[in-house]
Amino acid sequence: GAVVSQHPSWVICKSGTSVKIECRSLDFQATTMFWYRQFPKQSLMLMATSNEGSKATYEQGVEKDKFLINHASLTLSTLTVTSAHPEDSSFYICSARDRVGLNEKLFFGSGTQLSVL
Amino acid sequence: GENVEQHPSTLSVQEGDSAVIKCTYSDSASNYFPWYKQELGKRPQLIIDIRSNVGEKKDQRIAVTLNKTAKHFSLHITETQPEDSAVYFCAAHTGGFKTIFGAGTRLFVKA
Repeated sequence: GAVVSQHPSWVICKSGTSVKIECRSLDFQATTMFWYRQFPKQSLMLMATSNEGSKATYEQGVEKDKFLINHASLTLSTLTVTSAHPEDSSFYICSARDRVGLNEKLFFGSGTQLSVL
Repeated sequence: GENVEQHPSTLSVQEGDSAVIKCTYSDSASNYFPWYKQELGKRPQLIIDIRSNVGEKKDQRIAVTLNKTAKHFSLHITETQPEDSAVYFCAAHTGGFKTIFGAGTRLFVKA
């Protein structure tokens, strides 16, 4: 299947700092990427839909000023957690849609474990 | 709103037995239903999917069924093996072009 690369895999930061996470589609162009958050032993919660060349669409309850999303090219979306606090500690995972024949499939990045001290 | 319910939350089976995980969805416009397997600390991996114009699909030991009228879909794993132990998520690709996930099922296959 298609390859989605996500970096970094792990990040530990101090409270109040900002953290940027990158999501790249390596062998296909992704006009739409998605950012999910996953707490331990829980499901993937959709945070926002990242659209190339336009503003991201955020899910209800997700602060757009807290979680900045930029999708400047067809292969790269970034999520910046601004002024991170311990409650932002979580597993963040991106995904991208790839068209396979007439169908679209969703492929995931490897995830980023964020720990805010 | 759009919602996907998944049951059971935990499932323990003996090696060689079958495992069944069931999901229901709320958005009648949903047209694509993937299933993912996630091992601890790793990304979800697509294991099988089904589209709304198909009632059943099989890939070796894994099969998925879809009942559009009832808005149910299920994952069936036969001849389970210890390496099948993981968390399984169902998902629905909604009419709003989002993929919504179920809560997950933690499958334990005992050797």
